Amino acid sequence: ETVLTQSPDTLSLSPGERATFSCRASQRISSAYIAWYQQRVGQAPRLLIYGASNRATAVPDRFSGSGSGTDFTLTISRLEPEDFATYYCQQYGVSPYNFGQGTKLEIK
Amino acid sequence: QVQLVQSGPEVKNPGSSVKVSCKAPGDSFRFYAFSWVRQAPGQGPEWLGGIIPVFGTADYSKKFQDRVTITADESTTTVYMILTNLKSEDTAFYYCARERLPGNHLYYMDVWGQGTPVIVSS
Repeated sequence: ETVLTQSPDTLSLSPGERATFSCRASQRISSAYIAWYQQRVGQAPRLLIYGASNRATAVPDRFSGSGSGTDFTLTISRLEPEDFATYYCQQYGVSPYNFGQGTKLEIK
Repeated sequence: QVQLVQSGPEVKNPGSSVKVSCKAPGDSFRFYAFSWVRQAPGQGPEWLGGIIPVFGTADYSKKFQDRVTITADESTTTVYMILTNLKSEDTAFYYCARERLPGNHLYYMDVWGQGTPVIVSS
């Protein structure tokens, strides 16, 4: 079973700053089958990135994903107020298609 | 906007079973990968299993494979999840979700249902 470890657990930043989220897999993820989700309180997760670097429909271009092998990164280039939420990575290369434990992005 | 519409809230006794439904649009229903994901209060999402209707056979997380059954009814374009032998730890929101495009058969989730709260309590 592939375990995803996200870091940090919490990220405290101000609007306008750059945010970087890390997701490390316990084994290589084939074909970069990594997705990133944003979850606001009381809502279902929202797909941001799939295939490690492809933005989903209607996702602003301040969101970008990168990485390969076991190390993946989500970057928000310039934070907007609506970006403060919790972010999860998920691998969909090998069943079970686990999620990471999440990184909470909070306002500093 | 594509919607997955789930059945309503459930309150169950320990040891019983719950069945949650998820109605999907008919377009290419059979070629999408559908997943069931749960989220306990204050916790991250957890993948229970999924199904691609055209293949019929479900894929389950080993953690749940003894207790969960996922099926798809193509005539009504509805996906179902049954969880048996419920415990208090199963209290969570249960979501169905679908991949972005039909035919890729990949278990990432672009379209989500509204979530069904399941409370297990005596």
